Amino acid sequence: DVKVTQSSRYLVKRTGEKVFLECVQDMDHENMFWYRQDPGLGLRLIYFSYDVKMKEKGDIPEGYSVSREKKERFSLILESASTNQTSMYLCASQRQGASRRKEQFFGPGTRLTVL
Amino acid sequence: AQKITQTQPGMFVQEKEAVTLDCTYDTSDQSYGLFWYKQPSSGEMIFLIYQGSYDEQNATEGRYSLNFQKARKSANLVISASQLGDSAMYFCAMRGLNAGGTSYGKLTFGQGTILTVHP
Repeated sequence: DVKVTQSSRYLVKRTGEKVFLECVQDMDHENMFWYRQDPGLGLRLIYFSYDVKMKEKGDIPEGYSVSREKKERFSLILESASTNQTSMYLCASQRQGASRRKEQFFGPGTRLTVL
Repeated sequence: AQKITQTQPGMFVQEKEAVTLDCTYDTSDQSYGLFWYKQPSSGEMIFLIYQGSYDEQNATEGRYSLNFQKARKSANLVISASQLGDSAMYFCAMRGLNAGGTSYGKLTFGQGTILTVHP
């Protein structure tokens, strides 16, 4: 059974804290993604990675950074958390390849609250 | 740039009836793929169905079918014989090509539609 796991389901942090969200996949996928989900806005791509140590900015990278030291792990970092980063964060992975049919597999999400 | 629009924030349907969730898209890519995902209240995203832009037939997966109208740039999801367990948020998404002619598989999502199935 394929699996994407995220380190926390719920997280509460204070403004200015450094926050790490961890994502691990066991499918040997090359591509991994971080999204945030907000009501009325759907899912928006923050960063993605297509290989170890490789990363690309998504649509809303400001205030975030990422790390991919191992193929199975993709971390999202909030260097100095702010209240406008309160959101649901979803990690996804997918295999590399030219097919447009390849689906993304998602983790259960982390609901982050920044006070 | 790609854009997905889901104009129905919420939909209601009676159990055992069919329901259509709307999705329109905008892209300049000639070749692209369209996806529907379901997100129950537990939060995980579940892949439902895929339609390729050059597929000759509309996609079907069990009770899910995709009403694909390429000229109108719409890809509506039809759920037949609704069940209480179908109550969830539904997202339409698309994948095209980036400017370099390759894709790392980025998906663009719509705003989502909350479906509530009444007994």
